[in-house]
Amino acid sequence: AQSVTQLDSQVPVFEEAPVELRCNYSSSVSVYLFWYVQYPNQGLQLLLKYLSGSTLVKGINGFEAEFNKSQTSFHLRKPSVHISDTAEYFCAVSDLWGAQKLVFGQGTRLTINP
Amino acid sequence: GAVVSQHPSWVICKSGTSVKIECRSLDFQATTMFWYRQFPKQSLMLMATSNEGSKATYEQGVEKDKFLINHASLTLSTLTVTSAHPEDSSFYICSASLGQGQETQYFGPGTRLLVL
Repeated sequence: AQSVTQLDSQVPVFEEAPVELRCNYSSSVSVYLFWYVQYPNQGLQLLLKYLSGSTLVKGINGFEAEFNKSQTSFHLRKPSVHISDTAEYFCAVSDLWGAQKLVFGQGTRLTINP
Repeated sequence: GAVVSQHPSWVICKSGTSVKIECRSLDFQATTMFWYRQFPKQSLMLMATSNEGSKATYEQGVEKDKFLINHASLTLSTLTVTSAHPEDSSFYICSASLGQGQETQYFGPGTRLLVL
C-alpha cells in the first residue's frame, strides 16, 4: 500500500516569490507520481507527472518537480508565483501495476499575497 | 483533449430521495472510471473503480448498495446515491483513464450534493 504526506497544509507566499510545496511518499513498490491543482469548486487539473526517466519534470503554468528516490520525495516548485496560482495542490501516487488507483496527500493550500 | 464532464454540477435534494450523477468522457473512450468523495478542506477519497461492462470495485467502508455505480459504455459512468441523508452531502468527483497501463486520470469538474 502507498501513502502520501504533504508536509504543509498552508503556504502563504508573496507574488513573484519562489515557492516549494513538499511531498513525501511511502511505497513498497515502484510508483508513478503526480501533482494536481484544484481551484475553488472545481475538479482537479494535472500539473505534471513522473513516470520514469529524468528526475526533473516540467509541467504546466511554470511548475516543476523533482523526484528523489532516496528521500522518497517529489517536491513541487515554481520560481515566481502569480496571484492566479492561489489554489489547493495535491500530490498523488499510484503503483505501476494493478488498478492504477491514486492515493492522494492531504493537500496544500497555496495563497499568493500581493 | 481528455475532457471529462459531470452533470449536474450542483444538486439539492430532500432526505430519503435518490440522486444520480453522470460522468462522461467527451473526447476519448474511458475503459476505467473512478469515483471520489471530497469533504470540505480535505483530500479526495476513492470510493470505487468501475470498468466498462463489469461490476464496480468498491473501497473498504463504502456501501455498494448505497452508492450504485453503472459503467454502461466507454464514455459514461453514473453514480446513484440512494436514500440520501444529510451526511451524504459532499463534493463528488469522477475521473477517467484509458485503462490498464494508462496511468493518467483525467478529472471531471465535480458535483456538489446537498441533502436537506
